[in-house]
Amino acid sequence: NAGVMQNPRHLVRRRGQEARLRCSPMKGHSHVYWYRQLPEEGLKFMVYLQKENIIDESGMPKERFSAEFPKEGPSILRIQQVVRGDSAAYFCASSPGGQTNTGELFFGEGSRLTVL
Amino acid sequence: AQSVAQPEDQVNVAEGNPLTVKCTYSVSGNPYLFWYVQYPNRGLQFLLKYITGDNLVKGSYGFEAEFNKSQTSFHLKKPSALVSDSALYFCAVRDWGQAGTALIFGKGTTLSVSS
Repeated sequence: NAGVMQNPRHLVRRRGQEARLRCSPMKGHSHVYWYRQLPEEGLKFMVYLQKENIIDESGMPKERFSAEFPKEGPSILRIQQVVRGDSAAYFCASSPGGQTNTGELFFGEGSRLTVL
Repeated sequence: AQSVAQPEDQVNVAEGNPLTVKCTYSVSGNPYLFWYVQYPNRGLQFLLKYITGDNLVKGSYGFEAEFNKSQTSFHLKKPSALVSDSALYFCAVRDWGQAGTALIFGKGTTLSVSS
């Protein structure tokens, strides 16, 4: 049973370019969460999505960042016009919905974005 | 609002000695509490959780944690540390009453076990 799959694992972009990070949740999971990890700052919640719905985007920067989880295909975190401060590790996690949700999240290996 | 505090950036212990990594939390209702471990350049791995019931929770790799409601703490413990336990440890919390919401993580504590 495959775990949470993230790609690319490493991404290098120049300032002003776009970054797209993809996440396929574990089989049977309908909830996806994105977190950002910066050195010395821990893991910061960004956005929580279910299929075709954004449930909580309270941690998402208001500009340049967007996320989607379409009916078919992976969840995508999109960063437009990247700046050096966007360099970080971005982690996706998933969980099952409804009564089977006992709370823990299952994490992918992360996508490490470097902005030159 | 939910929050988690890990008061120590780093914990150093000698191999074979007991270890404790501290965590305190704040939620408006009853908490779900979690510990995760992260090795360099890897994702987070689930160690254990407290949902309800016995205050002492046992998890993976010999780790355990004790839920203390009066002190709002959920410290991670292991009776005998191994060098391979050296990693970054995160405590996380979610409010019972907010099903499906995201976990809120502490800043993490680096555990260093020396041989």
